[in-house]
Amino acid sequence: ILNVEQSPQSLHVQEGDSTNFTCSFPSSNFYALHWYRWETAKSPEALFVMTLNGDEKKKGRISATLNTKEGYSYLYIKGSQPEDSATYLCASRLFSGGYNKLIFGAGTRLAVHP
Amino acid sequence: DAGVIQSPRHEVTEMGQEVTLRCKPISGHDYLFWYRQTMMRGLELLIYFNNNVPIDDSGMPEDRFSAKMPNASFSTLKIQPSEPRDSAVYFCASSLRGTNEQYFGPGTRLTVT
Repeated sequence: ILNVEQSPQSLHVQEGDSTNFTCSFPSSNFYALHWYRWETAKSPEALFVMTLNGDEKKKGRISATLNTKEGYSYLYIKGSQPEDSATYLCASRLFSGGYNKLIFGAGTRLAVHP
Repeated sequence: DAGVIQSPRHEVTEMGQEVTLRCKPISGHDYLFWYRQTMMRGLELLIYFNNNVPIDDSGMPEDRFSAKMPNASFSTLKIQPSEPRDSAVYFCASSLRGTNEQYFGPGTRLTVT
């Protein structure tokens, strides 16, 4: 079984704080790394897809980096706002021929307090 | 586009009953995925289809679970007979080959009593 691990499991920060969390994944047969944002009672929403070692993606105050050789990705949120409160999921996509299914981590639950 | 559509949004049923969950993927998408989300196991892939053909059903927990995709715009996930441990949120997602994104539906929250 190939595991995708996320840490921390949950995080509480104050509005305005910057924060980051980690996703570690198997580096062999790596194809892509996905980040999703998942608000309670809604469906997961795609944030980033990264494929190349050293990739860095940014969307507003949220950015992500990728290290495929050591098998980790960081998600950063600058100046957290209450509306950033959600569960952040990462998923690894491994190359196995054909379409490559996603293996999800358990997520990091972020709570931003005003 | 309306996005991925799932029905029902909530289902409460008694143990032993048959449950059918429905999904309409985004028009033009050729991949469809069924996921189950539980507290214990997180989000896990049950089965996925390409061009209506099941490709990988290794995540289907047992014979009580079955999935079909009779055409490009409709898929069902059936549980017969249902058990309390099947209680979870079931998500459907679709994707277009050549892209990396999977688009998720709103999910069906199933409660088996």
